[in-house]
Amino acid sequence: EAGVAQSPRYKIIEKRQSVAFWCNPISGHATLYWYQQILGQGPKLLIQFQNNGVVDDSQLPKDRFSAERLKGVDSTLKIQPAKLEDSAVYLCASSFPDNEAFFGQGTRLTVV
Amino acid sequence: KQEVTQIPAALSVPEGENLVLNCSFTDSAIYNLQWFRQDPGKGLTSLLLIQSSQREQTSGRLNASLDKSSGRSTLYIAASQPGDSATYLCAVSLDRGSTLGRLYFGRGTQLTVWP
Repeated sequence: EAGVAQSPRYKIIEKRQSVAFWCNPISGHATLYWYQQILGQGPKLLIQFQNNGVVDDSQLPKDRFSAERLKGVDSTLKIQPAKLEDSAVYLCASSFPDNEAFFGQGTRLTVV
Repeated sequence: KQEVTQIPAALSVPEGENLVLNCSFTDSAIYNLQWFRQDPGKGLTSLLLIQSSQREQTSGRLNASLDKSSGRSTLYIAASQPGDSATYLCAVSLDRGSTLGRLYFGRGTQLTVWP
């Protein structure tokens, strides 16, 4: 069974630039999550999708972050414009609604 | 709000020791608890998942226990090996309807096992 796929693995951008991350979840998983992990901390949920609908985006900085999950499968997370404090690893995970979460390898973003 | 705390923050031991990593959480209305392993620059690998109705789970040299009423879990690693060196993260999900599945993470325990 293929795992959660994320791209790119690494990204370096200058502040005020925009960036986008892509995630392909495990086939059949209706729930998709984006987490932000700042160095030395545990991951923090940014947004949770159930199929193509948002169920929790309370911690998403909506003035600069956006996410979509068209057709209830792949998802993209965008940051525009980026700030220095956005430097982190962005993790995508998927699951059945009441079961174990599986994580991708993450995208390491460095904002300079 | 759910707060998850992991103790110790870092641990360095010689090969062969038995280890205990601790996790505590403030809201006992959890749905399940997961222990993850994270290697440097990598994503999270799920090690064990304990449903709220369970007391423990075992996988190989790993054993995780859950005391829901006191808000605690422990991860026991037997006969540690250098390959066990990684950061271990504890995460809980709350029994909260549509947001079921959202995980609240601790900061992790960074484990180093030296030969």
